[in-house]
Amino acid sequence: SQQGEEDPQALSIQEGENATMNCSYKTSINNLQWYRQNSGRGLVHLILIRSNEREKHSGRLRVTLDTSKKSSSLLITASRAADTASYFCAIRSGGSNYKLTFGKGTLLTVNP
Amino acid sequence: DTAVSQTPKYLVTQMGNDKSIKCEQNLGHDTMYWYKQDSKKFLKIMFSYNNKELIINETVPNRFSPKSPDKAHLNLHINSLELGDSAVYFCASSATGNSYGYTFGSGTRLTVV
Repeated sequence: SQQGEEDPQALSIQEGENATMNCSYKTSINNLQWYRQNSGRGLVHLILIRSNEREKHSGRLRVTLDTSKKSSSLLITASRAADTASYFCAIRSGGSNYKLTFGKGTLLTVNP
Repeated sequence: DTAVSQTPKYLVTQMGNDKSIKCEQNLGHDTMYWYKQDSKKFLKIMFSYNNKELIINETVPNRFSPKSPDKAHLNLHINSLELGDSAVYFCASSATGNSYGYTFGSGTRLTVV
């Protein structure tokens, strides 16, 4: 399967704590992307990491990619209640395939 | 506002009816997509168009027919609706190439009764 698998399925933390979500996949990739989905809304693109990159930062987000282990992690530092959402990893396979395949998501709840 | 906009936001209809969902993007993107999100939040690609040409057509019942009149619009027509078609349908767009993220619309919640 080309889809990513997020872990854990659900995560509940207190405001100010860090949240780490993991994504594993089975195929070779061109890039891996993380998206956020607030309840009842569309997905919002957070960050894209290419297969030749190992780490990327964007504000309070840090994404790592280990292609030898076929895994990625998303770290949200100093979490806020507004970070409560579902987080999805998505795989862009190699080649000219335009398809972006999503995992099932991690539901993050940040308690005030 | 630059965005992907889809209409309607909610659609409640009876089994057997035919319905359409419309999507428009003003981002200048060349590629547009339809995804289906089920009750467990699993997102599955249905179709993709690049410059009005169909490039992805997943295993979807032929009751679903996409149409792209121009590269800024991608509509989805569904014939003979079934209970199992109930889901949230998302339109998305991206620039052509592998290095770009997708911009999603806010979704159309379809309920078939």
